[in-house]
Amino acid sequence: ETGVTQTPRHLVMGMTNKKSLKCEQHLGHNAMYWYKQSAKKPLELMFVYNFKEQTENNSVPSRFSPECPNSSHLFLHLHTLQPEDSALYLCASSRLTSGSNEQYFGPGTRLTVT
Amino acid sequence: GENVEQHPSTLSVQEGDSAVIKCTYSDSASNYFPWYKQELGKRPQLIIDIRSNVGEKKDQRIAVTLNKTAKHFSLHITETQPEDSAVYFCAAGNGGSQGNLIFGKGTKLSVKP
Repeated sequence: ETGVTQTPRHLVMGMTNKKSLKCEQHLGHNAMYWYKQSAKKPLELMFVYNFKEQTENNSVPSRFSPECPNSSHLFLHLHTLQPEDSALYLCASSRLTSGSNEQYFGPGTRLTVT
Repeated sequence: GENVEQHPSTLSVQEGDSAVIKCTYSDSASNYFPWYKQELGKRPQLIIDIRSNVGEKKDQRIAVTLNKTAKHFSLHITETQPEDSAVYFCAAGNGGSQGNLIFGKGTKLSVKP
């Protein structure tokens, strides 16, 4: 269960704070993802990085800013969030090969915006 | 873009019975269909997947079927056990360099002993 790690596991922040979520994968994968998981909603894909290049930004508000300095690390920078941004933020990684995209998830960061 | 519908949203079965969860997708270009299990407070984990070149795949008590013509796929769990209780998510995507997955809303399965 240590292939994809996320820190912190829990975060409480005010609407004026700035914080960052960190994800690290030790699987030699070449793609990384940020998902948002809210109650009674599907996993919402936020950002995708293939080989460190952002290939997807699913109409995510600019108060969420991703950063992928290398293929093993992924950050999500947060600023001036809203209470409705409270959710579980999951990072995932995969090795993109023909016909498959098995994604391995991290344990998530439970974010509460007060 | 791809849209994935999943039913039912909740499912309760007696231990030993079978459970079936169904998903439909909209993009005929999708060719990879994984199923994830998420236990309470834990991360989603892949339990089985199927590619578009096969119609059925089995792994012990779980099986997945795919009907590409109708654009639907299903998860079948036989001889259910209490430890099967979890939320199950289906997903559809295009494997390879365009490998984004679109997830269904999830099915909360409860197996009563």
